[in-house]
Amino acid sequence: KNEVEQSPQNLTAQEGEFITINCSYSVGISALHWLQQHPGGGIVSLFMLSSGKKKHGRLIATINIQEKHSSLHITASHPRDSAVYICAVPHQGAQKLVFGQGTRLTINP
Amino acid sequence: EAQVTQNPRYLITVTGKKLTVTCSQNMNHEYMSWYRQDPGLGLRQIYYSMNVEVTDKGDVPEGYKVSRKEKRNFPLILESPSPNQTSLYFCASSTLNRVPYDMNTEAFFGQGTRLTVV
Repeated sequence: KNEVEQSPQNLTAQEGEFITINCSYSVGISALHWLQQHPGGGIVSLFMLSSGKKKHGRLIATINIQEKHSSLHITASHPRDSAVYICAVPHQGAQKLVFGQGTRLTINP
Repeated sequence: EAQVTQNPRYLITVTGKKLTVTCSQNMNHEYMSWYRQDPGLGLRQIYYSMNVEVTDKGDVPEGYKVSRKEKRNFPLILESPSPNQTSLYFCASSTLNRVPYDMNTEAFFGQGTRLTVV
């Protein structure tokens, strides 16, 4: 079993829809990262959070440390949000990240 | 502007011909790392470095070398590339946490290098 599981693997929605991507992890962590990878390939860090909720524009990330679960929400989705979204957690006791498999999001106009 | 710069972005090479992918960061970060991304396998760590002259193996180090002679640069070297090293490669950097000892600081990634070995 992977340490980090994301769902769904693929998600297609219409412009304007509310999007939720989920991430579950099996190890104790101090922080969780949400990353965005556009079709061109580059990876951008969206959020790093250790508790509660963070908001940046139309993106909201929440985390429940006790339940070992995080969600990434996109409000009023737009075709430019189409990308792969990846969650990652620190490997316990090591300076490295363990990545989920990613969620490929496609927003149709 | 804070950034991690990789070069080249695209590279096609032949089996056995040594190559180097460069990575440079301008944020004075202590920690740098190389990852490869393959379909169905996600991102996997190749090597990492916690400071100048300090490097260590990640999960998939076979066939790769790295060096960290300066804080800003962390090149990835393929001495004798093989087709199974065809992949998308990312360099990343971040500040180094000591308490707690894990990656809970923001990570910055390069734009990626798409390598094809024929």
